[in-house]
Amino acid sequence: GENVEQHPSTLSVQEGDSAVIKCTYSDSASNYFPWYKQELGKGPQLIIDIRSNVGEKKDQRIAVTLNKTAKHFSLHITETQPEDSAVYFCAASRWDTGNQFYFGTGTSLTVIP
Amino acid sequence: KAGVTQTPRYLIKTRGQQVTLSCSPISGHRSVSWYQQTPGQGLQFLFEYFSETQRNKGNFPGRFSGRQFSNSRSEMNVSTLELGDSALYLCASRGTPKTSYEQYFGPGTRLTVT
Repeated sequence: GENVEQHPSTLSVQEGDSAVIKCTYSDSASNYFPWYKQELGKGPQLIIDIRSNVGEKKDQRIAVTLNKTAKHFSLHITETQPEDSAVYFCAASRWDTGNQFYFGTGTSLTVIP
Repeated sequence: KAGVTQTPRYLIKTRGQQVTLSCSPISGHRSVSWYQQTPGQGLQFLFEYFSETQRNKGNFPGRFSGRQFSNSRSEMNVSTLELGDSALYLCASRGTPKTSYEQYFGPGTRLTVT
């Protein structure tokens, strides 16, 4: 099955700086890569996703890049704010089949005011 | 559109008991997945139901079971509870590739086994 690895496990940045979280996947058939943000006491919230026919997608301060050849994808958060502090999870799946979602182990991001 | 709802939100049970958790998916979604989340293990996939049939299954013992009803609502049951079953149980729903393949999570049920 698919194996998703996520790095780093913890990340601290100063407010206003950028944060980058990286994930690798093993199954070249995976074609859908969502990112989730989980705040304390809440369920994970979908914040951005990308399909394998696209190399980059941006939504305001967040962006995701995908390198299919290297089988890795990254989440980029620019101009970080304290409210960006949370645990972020990457995942891989196939949008065109009923395959399950495979999740990374999570990155705890702390934005220091 | 209402999001994924889970009941109850908090539950305390004693070792050896059984528990049933409930999940109502987003309207129109036919797939419901269940995950166990613990501090050290991240998000562990339990199983997924689609149109009342189990479509995918994770690597959990048979004490963990589920079902889905014709209205897509799902229940998860854990029998003979163990202390290690204490966790946040998350439910997620998604549509079909033709409608909406994004997966959305509910707030979770916090289960404590004493």
